[in-house]
Amino acid sequence: GQQLNQSPQSMFIQEGEDVSMNCTSSSIFNTWLWYKQEPGEGPVLLIALYKAGELTSNGRLTAQFGITRKDSFLNISASIPSDVGIYFCAGRGNNAGNMLTFGGGTRLMVKP
Amino acid sequence: KAGVTQTPRYLIKTRGQQVTLSCSPISGHRSVSWYQQTPGQGLQFLFEYFSETQRNKGNFPGRFSGRQFSNSRSEMNVSTLELGDSALYLCASGGLAGETQYFGPGTRLLVL
Repeated sequence: GQQLNQSPQSMFIQEGEDVSMNCTSSSIFNTWLWYKQEPGEGPVLLIALYKAGELTSNGRLTAQFGITRKDSFLNISASIPSDVGIYFCAGRGNNAGNMLTFGGGTRLMVKP
Repeated sequence: KAGVTQTPRYLIKTRGQQVTLSCSPISGHRSVSWYQQTPGQGLQFLFEYFSETQRNKGNFPGRFSGRQFSNSRSEMNVSTLELGDSALYLCASGGLAGETQYFGPGTRLLVL
């Protein structure tokens, strides 16, 4: 199935480091969403972006909706052990109802 | 406000059987989307229901079907199960098109 190109696939970082991950698409999206998933659970919404160029923060997390509407990035500052999990980007296209297209995920591991 | 609930959480079936999964959205939400998550294919969109009507459909065979009731609860059915149907099935609850979607904890289906 179609997926967004999300990178990196995995990251192993030291506690306190900043993290950056991004998603790119060949299609234009009207909404970008970032989710975090932990083992045995469903994805939990972190940040929602609705306008090209929008920059939104949620605590230590910051995400941006790319100007071209074909990309988005998520930054996590000063990582902590509980940031461990898989992060997914998701895009919603025009006239797509609530259908989301997902990236392949970035697995984040944090060393205390 | 209660979140998205999915039942059952775990299910074991054998090839050829059929299965029905249930999802109750957040109160007031009229959209329910279903996704299949597997290690190989990631998160893939199955279908979306809004006000009891299927609004979008992904690229899955006709063995996968769904419906939505007047109280917005949704069920998805998989007939003639195959080994490859083993996956985490997630439902997402949302409002009108373009609004933020929230996921339930998922139903993990194992087909033997």
